[in-house]
Amino acid sequence: SAVISQKPSRDICQRGTSLTIQCQVDSQVTMMFWYRQQPGQSLTLIATANQGSEATYESGFVIDKFPISRPNLTFSTLTVSNMSPEDSSIYLCSVESARANTDTQYFGPGTRLTVL
Amino acid sequence: QKEVEQDPGPLSVPEGAIVSLNCTYSNSAFQYFMWYRQYSRKGPELLMYTYSSGNKEDGRFTAQVDKSSKYISLFIRDSQPSDSATYLCAMSLGGYNKLIFGAGTRLAVHP
Repeated sequence: SAVISQKPSRDICQRGTSLTIQCQVDSQVTMMFWYRQQPGQSLTLIATANQGSEATYESGFVIDKFPISRPNLTFSTLTVSNMSPEDSSIYLCSVESARANTDTQYFGPGTRLTVL
Repeated sequence: QKEVEQDPGPLSVPEGAIVSLNCTYSNSAFQYFMWYRQYSRKGPELLMYTYSSGNKEDGRFTAQVDKSSKYISLFIRDSQPSDSATYLCAMSLGGYNKLIFGAGTRLAVHP
């Protein structure tokens, strides 16, 4: 399985500021995903990031609020912009599994964000 | 109605018990079914995946999919305190489609 790291692991931020979360994978992958896991809730997909193209956002998520970069096949960033307390959540990146045609994904450890 | 329903628990069992975790879903087009385990303050870890209907066994874990009933299960035999975690079911349409997750069931196995 892929080894995925995220930075920072946690942060406490002030309302109105922005935070960029980094996701690094130890192997080249085509598709990377960003999820949000709000307290006590399940994972919700924010967007899918393919290298060399614009990220595809899910309903309810917009690029101005969650800009994503995907400069190469092992790295991606998610920025949470103009933060409010409602953005307090765990943000997770994941990558497609090497198992062909299974849709399985491997997840990073997550970034725990608290907005005051 | 949510696409995937999962009882959030918590579920508390004694060590050695057989645990049954379940999810129901509404979209009959789902093809791939997964179970993830998430320890506190960690990312989800893939436990099992199944394509279409049937059973799959891996050690103490058995995953079952009943597409006719739109129902999936994960059984844990001889449960251990180290199995204490949140278990998330997930499913997809196939073709690198997005995963739809259940709410997760918190399991506590006490010695």
